[in-house]
Amino acid sequence: KAGVTQTPRYLIKTRGQQVTLSCSPISGHRSVSWYQQTPGQGLQFLFEYFSETQRNKGNFPGRFSGRQFSNSRSEMNVSTLELGDSALYLCASSSAGTGSEKLFFGSGTQLSVL
Amino acid sequence: GESVGLHLPTLSVQEGDNSIINCAYSNSASDYFIWYKQESGKGPQFIIDIRSNMDKRQGQRVTVLLNKTVKHLSLQIAATQPGDSAVYFCAENPTYNTDKLIFGTGTRLQVFP
Repeated sequence: KAGVTQTPRYLIKTRGQQVTLSCSPISGHRSVSWYQQTPGQGLQFLFEYFSETQRNKGNFPGRFSGRQFSNSRSEMNVSTLELGDSALYLCASSSAGTGSEKLFFGSGTQLSVL
Repeated sequence: GESVGLHLPTLSVQEGDNSIINCAYSNSASDYFIWYKQESGKGPQFIIDIRSNMDKRQGQRVTVLLNKTVKHLSLQIAATQPGDSAVYFCAENPTYNTDKLIFGTGTRLQVFP
């Protein structure tokens, strides 16, 4: 079974631009969540999707958004990029999003904002 | 792909020794806990999990201990190998029916020969 796949692996953008990151969960997994990882703040929860609905959102500005498609694939979008958005963005999936089952992560998208 | 802040605590152990990585979690309502390993350039890799109705769980060369009284979690790695060198994160889930995890700051494990 293939793991969680994230594309692209690396991205370089400039301030003010927008970016879309993609995540394909493990086959059969219906819950997808996104995390931001930075050296200063560590791993922080962005949002979670289940059956195409956002079920939970972390403490991030409205410039961060996401969606989930009927095949459980998910995208996240960051608009009006700021230097502080430079980070590793990680996607994770679980079977049913019960909160007490294994959560599997992809390798992430490394975003650099110049 | 790892947390490399200067504040990251580091545990250095000799190959073959046992390692113990500690974590203090924040929410007494947390019901589910996970340990992850993150190597450079990779995402967090699941190691072992434990639910709040247990105080110990064993896997292959790893044991997780949970002390709910003091909100403390530990990961024990037996016979530590060079391949165990990575950053280790504990994570807690205080909310039912969601995958919203709260992660610890991480501990860097360095294994030397």
